[in-house]
Amino acid sequence: GAVVSQHPSWVICKSGTSVKIECRSLDFQATTMFWYRQFPKQSLMLMATSNEGSKATYEQGVEKDKFLINHASLTLSTLTVTSAHPEDSSFYICSASDSNSGNTIYFGEGSWLTVV
Amino acid sequence: DAKTTQPTSMDCAEGRAANLPCNHSTISGNEYVYWYRQIHSQGPQYIIHGLKNNETNEMASLIITEDRKSSTLILPHATLRDTAVYYCIVKSLDDKIIFGKGTRLHILP
Repeated sequence: GAVVSQHPSWVICKSGTSVKIECRSLDFQATTMFWYRQFPKQSLMLMATSNEGSKATYEQGVEKDKFLINHASLTLSTLTVTSAHPEDSSFYICSASDSNSGNTIYFGEGSWLTVV
Repeated sequence: DAKTTQPTSMDCAEGRAANLPCNHSTISGNEYVYWYRQIHSQGPQYIIHGLKNNETNEMASLIITEDRKSSTLILPHATLRDTAVYYCIVKSLDDKIIFGKGTRLHILP
């Protein structure tokens, strides 16, 4: 299947700093990507829909000024966690829709964020 | 809210077929049923999807009832590496996927 790659796989940052996570579709173009977060022993929670060339659409309860999403090209979306706090520590996962395979959604490997 | 309901957990003996059920009674005519699995600390892995016909690939088979209100994912010969959380998803036209709690499948040696 299609490949979606995230970077970094894990990151540790200090409270108050910002950290950027990249999501790339390696062998297809994706006009839409999605960002999720997952806490231990819980299911994935959709945070936002990332639209190429336009503003992201955030789910209810997700702070758009804290979780900045940029989708500047058809193969790259970035999630920036601004002014990170320990409670932002989580597993962040992106996904992308591959129109070449009937809009099948493929997920990245995930990025572990630890805020200390 | 997720549009599907699944058992919380299931056990299956290694080498046997694992049959994972899913109810999606409110599915619309143009919505697909997708199955993913998540092994600990990894992103979800795509398994299979279907609209109304049964589907089979190298990983699994998907059986969808005629009324499309339920489906079953079949792993024909389960191995220990199939231990994971399996998610049954109804994908809407906007490609947005809302995850439920999934089924935690334990493969027993």
